[in-house]
Amino acid sequence: AQKITQTQPGMFVQEKEAVTLDCTYDTSDPSYGLFWYKQPSSGEMIFLIYQGSYDQQNATEGRYSLNFQKARKSANLVISASQLGDSAMYFCAMREGKSGNTPLVFGKGTRLSVIA
Amino acid sequence: DVKVTQSSRYLVKRTGEKVFLECVQDMDHENMFWYRQDPGLGLRLIYFSYDVKMKEKGDIPEGYSVSREKKERFSLILESASTNQTSMYLCASSLTPGMRTDTQYFGPGTRLTVL
Repeated sequence: AQKITQTQPGMFVQEKEAVTLDCTYDTSDPSYGLFWYKQPSSGEMIFLIYQGSYDQQNATEGRYSLNFQKARKSANLVISASQLGDSAMYFCAMREGKSGNTPLVFGKGTRLSVIA
Repeated sequence: DVKVTQSSRYLVKRTGEKVFLECVQDMDHENMFWYRQDPGLGLRLIYFSYDVKMKEKGDIPEGYSVSREKKERFSLILESASTNQTSMYLCASSLTPGMRTDTQYFGPGTRLTVL
């Protein structure tokens, strides 16, 4: 079974609009972390935001916020006021357990295209 | 800034060749990882290492091996390259073994084509 599911292979959004990228996860470990990365056409993976399973509040980093619904096992990324430079692949990832040794498990990604 | 470098951005090899992909990080990170990325499949973990001379298999280790002789360097080896190993290879590192919140830092990737 997939641990990370991103159901939207591609999405379009108008510049300056907000967009939500979906991510659901599957784990039985009560301790886990959720990550979002951006991959522009240059190929480099850029870390955007982190949410821990015990965090009481949704994470925010500038225009990025994470809509964390623990009971639903979802961790959707919200990008506010989209910009042309936001066009990229976006990956959701999870680390299970308390140790940082555990590798991240990635979803298949969502390609976001921002339209002027 | 953390820097993870990979020896080549683009590489073309022939079937059966032995291929070395090198990754170096400059921030004294404990953990290093090799992923391959294919369209529609996301990133899949090949091998990782949490200490010098230590290695652990990931989800798709078949056809690959790794070497970590020094803390800063993690090499991925294709013993006999095959066309189905044509892919983008991403190296990553992370800092602290005990920190669940620790993110992974990625290199620019190597796009390998096996003919």
